[in-house]
Amino acid sequence: AQTVTQSQPEMSVQEAETVTLSCTYDTSESDYYLFWYKQPPSRQMILVIRQEAYKQQNATENRFSVNFQKAAKSFSLKISDSQLGDAAMYFCSRGSNYKLTFGKGTLLTVNP
Amino acid sequence: SQTIHQWPATLVQPVGSPLSLECTVEGTSNPNLYWYRQAAGRGLQLLFYSVGIGQISSEVPQNLSASRPQDRQFILSSKKLLLSDSGFYLCAWSASRGSGTEAFFGQGTRLTVV
Repeated sequence: AQTVTQSQPEMSVQEAETVTLSCTYDTSESDYYLFWYKQPPSRQMILVIRQEAYKQQNATENRFSVNFQKAAKSFSLKISDSQLGDAAMYFCSRGSNYKLTFGKGTLLTVNP
Repeated sequence: SQTIHQWPATLVQPVGSPLSLECTVEGTSNPNLYWYRQAAGRGLQLLFYSVGIGQISSEVPQNLSASRPQDRQFILSSKKLLLSDSGFYLCAWSASRGSGTEAFFGQGTRLTVV
């Protein structure tokens, strides 16, 4: 089975600091996309950032950026200037052949 | 704009009873549709996905089934619920143009089987 692995069940960060969430994935496809989703306590899933596998440039969305290492099949999320509202469960996801596969998630706590 | 509706929000059902969760999408046509389950403290497990009417792909053999009777309607069913079916169920859709579009999720259904 093609999997998505998030090795950090929980992470914590001080407000205004930077934190990096890790994700590795397995795929035999050449065409795929990678996503990070955020799930706050409301449990509504929210897209944070998206990366196309054919693009070498790392995606950036305001305070959120990724480090995409295609050969290593690694896709980490960096959150800069962390805010209290960033506290949530974060899921890494891979999309290929219409299937969206998610990791088990990383619970991020932001300390004031 | 596109919206996704999922209901009910919460459900408590006895073991052995049937289940029907419904999801509808508005504002788009021919979406890809998905059912996920999120057990307590765990990630999202893909249960079923559909790329068209009547086309259902099952990811995990289990007590559940899915149907897509209309283009923008996706139904998750069970004839007899088990305790292990408890969890948080999420419906999602994505645009039909392949793998590059993100999924949009419903509000979820919290199912408790007692």
